[in-house]
Amino acid sequence: GAGVSQTPSNKVTEKGKYVELRCDPISGHTALYWYRQSLGQGPEFLIYFQGTGAADDSGLPNDRFFAVRPEGSVSTLKIQRTERGDSAVYLCASSSLAGVTDTQYFGPGTRLTVL
Amino acid sequence: ILNVEQSPQSLHVQEGDSTNFTCSFPSSNFYALHWYRWETAKSPEALFVMTLNGDEKKKGRISATLNTKEGYSYLYIKGSQPEDSATYLCAFNAGNMLTFGGGTRLMVKP
Repeated sequence: GAGVSQTPSNKVTEKGKYVELRCDPISGHTALYWYRQSLGQGPEFLIYFQGTGAADDSGLPNDRFFAVRPEGSVSTLKIQRTERGDSAVYLCASSSLAGVTDTQYFGPGTRLTVL
Repeated sequence: ILNVEQSPQSLHVQEGDSTNFTCSFPSSNFYALHWYRWETAKSPEALFVMTLNGDEKKKGRISATLNTKEGYSYLYIKGSQPEDSATYLCAFNAGNMLTFGGGTRLMVKP
């Protein structure tokens, strides 16, 4: 079956612009996660959705970052007034449940470059 | 803040060599440890979920062990092949999110 998909695969933008990154989770998965991987580091947690609601947004770095999942499926990560430090690979993952032993299935990521 | 560390950061081996690398994590309040393989331009692929002290899991030539009392897990690859070249990530799950180590980048030369 189809895995997690993310669009676009690459996004180049200029400092100060607004960007949206999209995630299509595996059908039926109620839990959805966003992570960010900066160069040379492991992925870092941003936000977790259970259904339509953000259950934990403690990883969002500041109020320029926002994410939605209005119908409990597709999610969009929105970044306002982008900065060069936002350049990273943004990964989305989904899981059928949200337990500690449930596997999170990842998409291929969106590579964001802010010039 | 949870601290998950992996060593070495990178590793170059010859085809046919066996290799192993380490993930260390907090030994208190342990719930689960996940291993992933991430090849360039692909999605991270789940390898193992480990929960019990002394757990040993195997998938083909790759195996992993877990010691929750001392807070470490080893990943072993037997007879490395060029297609094993990837970044191997471990992640500690003490709640809803995964806390990742920095990864071990493995390069296998033919």
